[in-house]
Amino acid sequence: GAVVSQHPSRVICKSGTSVKIECRSLDFQATTMFWYRQFPKQSLMLMATSNEGSKATYEQGVEKDKFLINHASLTLSTLTVTSAHPEDSSFYICSASGQQETQYFGPGTRLLVL
Amino acid sequence: GESVGLHLPTLSVQEGDNSIINCAYSNSASDYFIWYKQESGKGPQFIIDIRSNMDKRQGQRVTVLLNKTVKHLSLQIAATQPGDSAVYFCAEFITGTASKLTFGTGTRLQVTL
Repeated sequence: GAVVSQHPSRVICKSGTSVKIECRSLDFQATTMFWYRQFPKQSLMLMATSNEGSKATYEQGVEKDKFLINHASLTLSTLTVTSAHPEDSSFYICSASGQQETQYFGPGTRLLVL
Repeated sequence: GESVGLHLPTLSVQEGDNSIINCAYSNSASDYFIWYKQESGKGPQFIIDIRSNMDKRQGQRVTVLLNKTVKHLSLQIAATQPGDSAVYFCAEFITGTASKLTFGTGTRLQVTL
């Protein structure tokens, strides 16, 4: 099946710094990538949808200037959490879809902001 | 607003028994439903999907049932194994411009020996 990777798998940073998370589709071209956030014991909440070469579409309540998304190629999307604060600590998961609608999920990135 | 939700937050099943995880959805425009399994600290793993023009679909040890009349979705796992212990999410998908998944709240399946 299609494989999606994320890097890093976990990151700890100081409050006020920025963190970049990469999402890669390893064996297929992802025309669309999605970024989700998941707090402990909660469901996945969609943050934004990005299509290769165009600006991301953010869900209501998600600050686009705080969560910068770049989808520069058909195999790579990045999420940058700018000026991170402790409340940004969460599990960030990306997914990718190609020609078909099925979304394939990455393993997630655990972010802890101190 | 419309949402996808689950009836049971936790389900405890003895090894070898069958498991049934339920999900209610409210958006009649949804035309595609997916069940995901999520183990602790990992991303969701696709289990099985079903389109709105079907009412049943079978996979390996899993069956998904869709009842559009009452907007209900279920996942049946036959001969539940310890490795099935995880959180299970149903998700609905509405094809169109947005084409985005909406996840339910999740059910934790605990398999006891």
